[in-house]
Amino acid sequence: DGGITQSPKYLFRKEGQNVTLSCEQNLNHDAMYWYRQDPGQGLRLIYYSQIVNDFQKGDIAEGYSVSREKKESFPLTVTSAQKNPTAFYLCASSITGVENSPLHFGNGTRLTVT
Amino acid sequence: AQSVTQLDSQVPVFEEAPVELRCNYSSSVSVYLFWYVQYPNQGLQLLLKYLSGSTLVKGINGFEAEFNKSQTSFHLRKPSVHISDTAEYFCAVSDTGGFKTIFGAGTRLFVKA
Repeated sequence: DGGITQSPKYLFRKEGQNVTLSCEQNLNHDAMYWYRQDPGQGLRLIYYSQIVNDFQKGDIAEGYSVSREKKESFPLTVTSAQKNPTAFYLCASSITGVENSPLHFGNGTRLTVT
Repeated sequence: AQSVTQLDSQVPVFEEAPVELRCNYSSSVSVYLFWYVQYPNQGLQLLLKYLSGSTLVKGINGFEAEFNKSQTSFHLRKPSVHISDTAEYFCAVSDTGGFKTIFGAGTRLFVKA
């Protein structure tokens, strides 16, 4: 079955440490995305990538970094510069070049920073 | 700029009753509209998406949505809900490029026995 795998499901870190969240897809989608979800705020776009070796900032990119070295993989690093990193992080992918193509989501990583 | 407003943060309803989850959007350009569902500690799943030419869109699990261009609304409905429909529902809009999808804040549907 094709899908998006995010790991780990739960992640705990101390303040001041960088942490990398994994996202792998086997849907052969060109576009991949990272969203952050906080209670009562919906989803907010952190970064997106339309193609390998290219990515763009979303609405809340400060304190985050990404890479897209392979089509299947789009890891997100939460740096110590992110002021409030505790949240639920969702990775998604979509087909490009097709109108109203929906997003396909992984099951998320819940990050807690203390 | 696009925006999405979900008018109810929580909707409690009894099992087998009808439900409507309201969504209004604003955009200066043509948009694509979606409803997604999220069960606890999971990602989002597509319920339905708007295709031009038809105002009534049918989705999975018996849900449907009505597109109203004059009122810029895309309300989600189900004639008879089940306990298993308890989840959070998100309305979303994307531009024609598709890379910037904006989500509403979500509506938590709670179905009571």
